[in-house]
Amino acid sequence: ELQLLESGGGLEQPGGSLRLSCTASGFTFSSFAMTWVRQAPGKGLEWVSSIINSGSSTYYADSVKGRFTISRDNSKNTLYLLMNSLRAEDTAVYYCANNQYDSSGYPFPNFDYRGQGTLVTVSS
Amino acid sequence: EIVMTQSPATLSVSPGERATLSCRASQSVSSNLAWYQQNPGQAPRLLIYGASIRATGIPARFSGSGSGTEFTLTISSLQSEDFAVYYCQQYKKWPTITFGQGTRLEIK
Repeated sequence: ELQLLESGGGLEQPGGSLRLSCTASGFTFSSFAMTWVRQAPGKGLEWVSSIINSGSSTYYADSVKGRFTISRDNSKNTLYLLMNSLRAEDTAVYYCANNQYDSSGYPFPNFDYRGQGTLVTVSS
Repeated sequence: EIVMTQSPATLSVSPGERATLSCRASQSVSSNLAWYQQNPGQAPRLLIYGASIRATGIPARFSGSGSGTEFTLTISSLQSEDFAVYYCQQYKKWPTITFGQGTRLEIK
């Protein structure tokens, strides 16, 4: 059964850095692309970044490009998000998801709905 | 960017009744559309993918339909645990996935 546990959030000042982690179990981590999605307080869901299974290709939303770096360690079944130059608008709960495939071969994210994500608060 | 628009923003329905939620895409996403349920303090739960395929463990009262730009999530007989926020999401343009703004389903 899919299990994803996010950690690493906290309170950080504007301009600071944080590294989020997502520890995965219940599936073959190295076979799946992974995704970070965030949710600002009281708001909807926003895609942040994705990485393919090998780690050789990474993708970012325009809002975080050049500031955030996604990576993975398949030997540790762990996904990371390094967040630099943090801004107040990065304040959100961050969720990780694996990407499964539909019958046409398109990937889509699947979350561990029992998880609570990790809260990042950027404030002075 | 594909913009996803959900309606209504809030839907009030009595337990046992049917709920119909709508989602519109700004351009065709074929059937590359998923629906999620989110309860307070929890991650989203995948309900439907491929516009109409129920995810593992999802009760049969949940059904999805549509293709192209117009989609519908129907909950046939509302249970107490179904009152939550629902999001549609297109993954036609993966990795640049986009979500609707959500529909809050509340008890009437």
